[in-house]
Amino acid sequence: KAGVTQTPRYLIKTRGQQVTLSCSPISGHRSVSWYQQTPGQGLQFLFEYFSETQRNKGNFPGRFSGRQFSNSRSEMNVSTLELGDSALYLCASKDGLYGYTFGSGTRLTVV
Amino acid sequence: SQQGEEDPQALSIQEGENATMNCSYKTSINNLQWYRQNSGRGLVHLILIRSNEREKHSGRLRVTLDTSKKSSSLLITASRAADTASYFCATDAREGGSYIPTFGRGTSLIVHP
Repeated sequence: KAGVTQTPRYLIKTRGQQVTLSCSPISGHRSVSWYQQTPGQGLQFLFEYFSETQRNKGNFPGRFSGRQFSNSRSEMNVSTLELGDSALYLCASKDGLYGYTFGSGTRLTVV
Repeated sequence: SQQGEEDPQALSIQEGENATMNCSYKTSINNLQWYRQNSGRGLVHLILIRSNEREKHSGRLRVTLDTSKKSSSLLITASRAADTASYFCATDAREGGSYIPTFGRGTSLIVHP
């Protein structure tokens, strides 16, 4: 069974640009969550999608957005990038009541 | 704000020793989960313990939960160099229509061969 796949693994962008990250959950998982991990703030919840609907959203500005497709694949977009957006972005999928399965993450560097 | 907080922040031990990490949280929970993260990689789910459970084992891992003290501990017995990683506890925080794992800042474990 394939795990959670995140692409790309590494990304370097310039301030002011926008970026789109992709996440393919485990087959059959309908819930996809996104997290931002930085040394200063730790793991911060961004949003959760379930059956193409955003079910929850963390405390991030509107520059951070996401969507989920009918095949459960999810994308997150960050517009007008700032230096502080440099982070490891993690996607996780789950089914039922058990623990989340995380992807390996996308390391975004904003210069 | 962080729901779970791990203690200690860093732990350095020799191979073969036991490693104990603690997690405290603030609100009532349905379950508590422990994850491991190798440097710069995704998190790996280790174990989930429900609020009505007090102890759970999985291989060399032992997790306890004390809901009266709002705390949990993760014990890794007979540690190996491969156990070197950061360990996070996550509790489910009610957000909108579902429960979202909320993570602490983690304990960085180094196991010296």
